Amino acid sequence: AQKVTQAQTEISVVEKEDVTLDCVYETRDTTYYLFWYKQPPSGELVFLIRRNSFDEQNEISGRYSWNFQKSTSSFNFTITASQVVDSAVYFCALSEGSYGGSQGNLIFGKGTKLSVKP
Amino acid sequence: NAGVMQNPRHLVRRRGQEARLRCSPMKGHSHVYWYRQLPEEGLKFMVYLQKENIIDESGMPKERFSAEFPKEGPSILRIQQVVRGDSAAYFCASSPTRATNYGYTFGSGTRLTVV
Repeated sequence: AQKVTQAQTEISVVEKEDVTLDCVYETRDTTYYLFWYKQPPSGELVFLIRRNSFDEQNEISGRYSWNFQKSTSSFNFTITASQVVDSAVYFCALSEGSYGGSQGNLIFGKGTKLSVKP
Repeated sequence: NAGVMQNPRHLVRRRGQEARLRCSPMKGHSHVYWYRQLPEEGLKFMVYLQKENIIDESGMPKERFSAEFPKEGPSILRIQQVVRGDSAAYFCASSPTRATNYGYTFGSGTRLTVV
């Protein structure tokens, strides 16, 4: 069965520290997609990144970077030089690529609450 | 604003009343998804609709909950005879095609409080 585990419930860091949010997934499909979303205190869900299972290249976007490792079924997210505005709940999600069944369904982890203190 | 629009942003209902949550997808998007965020449980898929069709309602509670996406107008998530356990944030997302591999855009959510 598909499953996404974010073992870190809450993380607190001081501004300018680097922080890594862990995400481990389970799926039987060979084709799947992984996502990260940010939920700031205002409550909306902000899309950060999508990665397909055939692309294991790491990605960097400004202070954000993602490390995808199929061997360990992990898709970790690192924020470099964290800022107070990074304080939010971060969700990792999985979507399977098969064209049968419940296509359209994202499986979310329970989220990691990141607090960045000044 | 060309994003996914949800209203109301906050909704308070007394136990036993009905709640209607609306979702207008992004322009050109004909696929709508509803998710529920209960405290401590993260987001859970509820239902996937196309215009005038329910494609997948495997995540919908068996009773009191229904969803529609008519040919004209927004998608509606309807909860009849609300109970305290229905208090949650309800998010809608839309996409232009059936495949989620492209990701989709969420609305800002409706926070339902049942008193």
